[in-house]
Amino acid sequence: QVQLQESGPGLVKPSETLSLTCTVSNGSISGYYWSWIRQPPGKGLEWIGYLYSSGSTNYNPSLKNRVTFSVDASKNQFSLQLSSVTAADTAVYYCAKGGGGVVDYWGQGTLVTVSS
Amino acid sequence: DIQMTQSPSTLSASVGDRVTITCRASQSISTWLAWYQQKPGKAPKLLIYKTSTLESGVPSTFSGRGSGTEFTLTISSLQPDDFASYFCQQYNTYPWTFGQGTKVEIK
Repeated sequence: QVQLQESGPGLVKPSETLSLTCTVSNGSISGYYWSWIRQPPGKGLEWIGYLYSSGSTNYNPSLKNRVTFSVDASKNQFSLQLSSVTAADTAVYYCAKGGGGVVDYWGQGTLVTVSS
Repeated sequence: DIQMTQSPSTLSASVGDRVTITCRASQSISTWLAWYQQKPGKAPKLLIYKTSTLESGVPSTFSGRGSGTEFTLTISSLQPDDFASYFCQQYNTYPWTFGQGTKVEIK
């Protein structure tokens, strides 16, 4: 079955840009929707947005001005960049397969802490 | 955004019990609702989509029902592997939104 793995710095300074990459294995990234979802400590899940393998994107309006997704099909990877981070962006970040509705596969998640 | 409210936040139950979790939407979402299970430190797992359709491999002890604004997830006979957190998600209106979760713990 498809497996996803997030990677990137676990600590980001305030006002800087958070960057994460999701590597997809046991399946192709092409032809599917992929999502980023986050969960602040002790809080609920928030959908950051989703992208199609062709590169088209759909961002959560609450984060739209700070979020950028990209895809590298040759590496079977897709990425998240979140700019001007604050402590409120501290969360476990998940990458996942799906975006048009349900998500059928999730990564394990990676904790990103925003702190100086 | 559509707000999803789950109840209860925590549920204490024993193996073999029948348990029901409720999810309410702030506006109608038809039947565009999914349920996920999450265990500590693990990736969430899709259980049910379109309110009542079980994902492949999910035991038949799980069932979902509802429409509009009120939905339920029922576990007909709680098994040791079912002690986990459960959360609902609507995908009627973007941005998709989640409930805050229900933790099912051992009584």
